[in-house]
Amino acid sequence: EADIYQTPRYLVIGTGKKITLECSQTMGHDKMYWYQQDPGMELHLIHYSYGVNSTEKGDLSSESTVSRIRTEHFPLTLESARPSHTSQYLCASSDPFDRPNTGELFFGEGSRLTVL
Amino acid sequence: GQNIDQPTEMTATEGAIVQINCTYQTSGFNGLFWYQQHAGEAPTFLSYNVLDGLEEKGRFSSFLSRSKGYSYLLLKELQMKDSASYLCAVGTGTASKLTFGTGTRLQVTL
Repeated sequence: EADIYQTPRYLVIGTGKKITLECSQTMGHDKMYWYQQDPGMELHLIHYSYGVNSTEKGDLSSESTVSRIRTEHFPLTLESARPSHTSQYLCASSDPFDRPNTGELFFGEGSRLTVL
Repeated sequence: GQNIDQPTEMTATEGAIVQINCTYQTSGFNGLFWYQQHAGEAPTFLSYNVLDGLEEKGRFSSFLSRSKGYSYLLLKELQMKDSASYLCAVGTGTASKLTFGTGTRLQVTL
């Protein structure tokens, strides 16, 4: 069973606030990802990391930033939230070794953000 | 970039068989994945194909043809709990980056 956790599950905040979405995994996975998903729409990769001190921007441009100081922790930060940031944010991790099924992603339960 | 196409919605009857198709165009292909996502929940892994052919796992099977850029997910003996979105995703490169299609929303009826 996957052990990847996201907090908060739900967050409603006002415009201009700074927020951090937390993501932690206990599987020792090197690779971690943040996806953004609007209701009924596809998942878009916004950030990923190969390991500690490695972060890359994904396919969808995002005003958020990420950090990877520890293997198990991959937080996402919005310095000044806007209504356009309202969405669900899904964190995921995958197996560190290059073997079949290495691309299998284990997802957290998501953080649903609403910016008023 | 990647281009992934799958039907938006499908309806099938409990106990029946349904096939969900996915076509893709990509460079640096590194595998084709199917995920299931129930409304309001995170996606869960169903299957992975990197070589041509059929992979069977219980009631679910997945097929891949790399030359045609085509895959399908076959669900047998449908159950009501199979009502969900089924996401086709293409892996590229060595970073296990997945690009997801929009998903096919499957409704299983009595």
